[in-house]
Amino acid sequence: QQPVQSPQAVILREGEDAVINCSSSKALYSVHWYRQKHGEAPVFLMILLKGGEQKGHEKISASFNEKKQQSSLYLTASQLSYSGTYFCGSQEVQGAQKLVFGQGTRLTINP
Amino acid sequence: DAGITQSPRHKVTETGTPVTLRCHQTENHRYMYWYRQDPGHGLRLIHYSYGVKDTDKGEVSDGYSVSRSKTEDFLLTLESATSSQTSVYFCAISEGPTVANVLTFGAGSRLTVL
Repeated sequence: QQPVQSPQAVILREGEDAVINCSSSKALYSVHWYRQKHGEAPVFLMILLKGGEQKGHEKISASFNEKKQQSSLYLTASQLSYSGTYFCGSQEVQGAQKLVFGQGTRLTINP
Repeated sequence: DAGITQSPRHKVTETGTPVTLRCHQTENHRYMYWYRQDPGHGLRLIHYSYGVKDTDKGEVSDGYSVSRSKTEDFLLTLESATSSQTSVYFCAISEGPTVANVLTFGAGSRLTVL
């Protein structure tokens, strides 16, 4: 079952902050975040593991609430280059071979 | 860039014809995946492989088959294409479902079924 992302789309001015949420109805071991620019392939941003360990991007942060099966991606002082569609992917158990993605959040940053 | 290539990159075909998409990697990664991307649905897993001749179904496997006879190649076949299979197909690879199971995606194959 796909995780649910919110909002579906957001438009910001450069320098503003954004939060993208991802929630699942199932217990999760890890949450992954990817960004896809128009016409390109998705690119890995970050992974958050049960227990709090975080690996990934230096300028974008995220949280993972294991009890609520929710993750949030925080983009602060957004730059034009942050525009794109953001996907969260959920891994239900350690060692699970499948990554199930949400429907995506389109982020547009205007000058 | 990781060595992953998809072919063809664009294809237009007619309903009822067979179609095969190829994913080729030079990273010697064990795991390979096929996703489809459609507006409003994000990325949905079709099939994946965890080794040569070892494959399993994803969320939307009906109408698709896969084969992996070599580590570097993962083929996705539509036996009889339908208009509902018009989509962008992405192949992805990973070293394995370890703690940092990061997916690297290919550039995508855009398929149009008329």
